[in-house]
Amino acid sequence: DAGVIQSPRHEVTEMGQEVTLRCKPISGHNSLFWYRQTMMRGLELLIYFNNNVPIDDSGMPEDRFSAKMPNASFSTLKIQPSEPRDSAVYFCASSLYAGGRSYEQYFGPGTRLTVT
Amino acid sequence: QQQVKQSPQSLIVQKGGISIINCAYENTAFDYFPWYQQFPGKGPALLIAIRPDVSEKKEGRFTISFNKSAKQFSLHIMDSQPGDSATYFCAAKRSGNTPLVFGKGTRLSVIA
Repeated sequence: DAGVIQSPRHEVTEMGQEVTLRCKPISGHNSLFWYRQTMMRGLELLIYFNNNVPIDDSGMPEDRFSAKMPNASFSTLKIQPSEPRDSAVYFCASSLYAGGRSYEQYFGPGTRLTVT
Repeated sequence: QQQVKQSPQSLIVQKGGISIINCAYENTAFDYFPWYQQFPGKGPALLIAIRPDVSEKKEGRFTISFNKSAKQFSLHIMDSQPGDSATYFCAAKRSGNTPLVFGKGTRLSVIA
């Protein structure tokens, strides 16, 4: 079974450029989470979706960040314009929420973003 | 405000020894407490999890101890092996479709 798929695995870009990170959740999962990991702040939730609808985006740092989930099998996280402080590893995770119960979250391998 | 506090930040244990990582939380609405293991270059992977209706859960060499009154839980790794060297994260979540709240992580090194 394929796990959560993220692309690209590594991204190096210059300050001011647009960056788009992509995620394909596990088939059948209906919740999707975007996290950011840095040494200073650890793992932080940015936004999460249920049935393709954003539920909580309070973790999105600022208006430069946006996320979409156009269908059950694809989500994007976009940063425009990017800044050096956005350098981090971005993880996507998915889980199944059914019958009032939330099941295990599975994480993707992450995208390491470096903004120079 | 950090909702889940994890300690220590780093830990060095001899092969065969016991590794102990501690976490404390404030939100009494949390009802699910997982531990994740992360190797370099990989995403976190669920190791073991507990709900507050039990005080201990054991899976192989890994045990979670849970103290509801103290709002603390810990991970014990028995007979620690070099292959256990990784970063460990505790987390907590409320019931329903809610996200995980993570501790800052503990980097464990098991030396021979």
